[in-house]
Amino acid sequence: EAGVAQSPRYKIIEKRQSVAFWCNPISGHATLYWYQQILGQGPKLLIQFQNNGVVDDSQLPKDRFSAERLKGVDSTLKIQPAKLEDSAVYLCASSLTDQGVSGNTIYFGEGSWLTVV
Amino acid sequence: AQSVAQPEDQVNVAEGNPLTVKCTYSVSGNPYLFWYVQYPNRGLQFLLKYITGDNLVKGSYGFEAEFNKSQTSFHLKKPSALVSDSALYFCAVRDLYRLGNEKLTFGTGTRLTIIP
Repeated sequence: EAGVAQSPRYKIIEKRQSVAFWCNPISGHATLYWYQQILGQGPKLLIQFQNNGVVDDSQLPKDRFSAERLKGVDSTLKIQPAKLEDSAVYLCASSLTDQGVSGNTIYFGEGSWLTVV
Repeated sequence: AQSVAQPEDQVNVAEGNPLTVKCTYSVSGNPYLFWYVQYPNRGLQFLLKYITGDNLVKGSYGFEAEFNKSQTSFHLKKPSALVSDSALYFCAVRDLYRLGNEKLTFGTGTRLTIIP
């Protein structure tokens, strides 16, 4: 079974530039997550989709970050304009979601490593 | 709010010795607990989880974890450490904020180094 796919793996940009990351979840997984992991910290949730709807974006800095999952499958996370503090690993993850069933395992991709200079 | 704490930033163990990576949790309701491992320049890999049932959970690569409700702990263990176990380990707790909608809240991570 294929895992969560992410691209690009590495990106270096200058501050105030824009960047986009792409994610394709595990086939059949309705829930998709974007996490941000700053060096030395645990991952922090940015946004969660269930199918093509947003269920939690409370931690997403909406003045510069945006994300979409138009057809309920793959997703794009965009940063514009980037700041130095956005340097981090952006982890996409997915899980099965079934109303009434919880504790589903969340599977992560390899991450997209962003350096803002 | 749910939270987990990993009290040790760094753990060093000699190869062949047993290892323990500590995690304590704070939740309202039943705890659903997870361990993930992160190798250098890689994403997070799922190791094991506790949902219900037996307090000793077995996972990938020979790891196991013991759920202790009275001590609110979920320590990760392995009987005999390998050099290849050297990595960053994260404990996480499920935050169920709406039925069917859940996310993981992570600890700050513990760097495990196995010394040959």
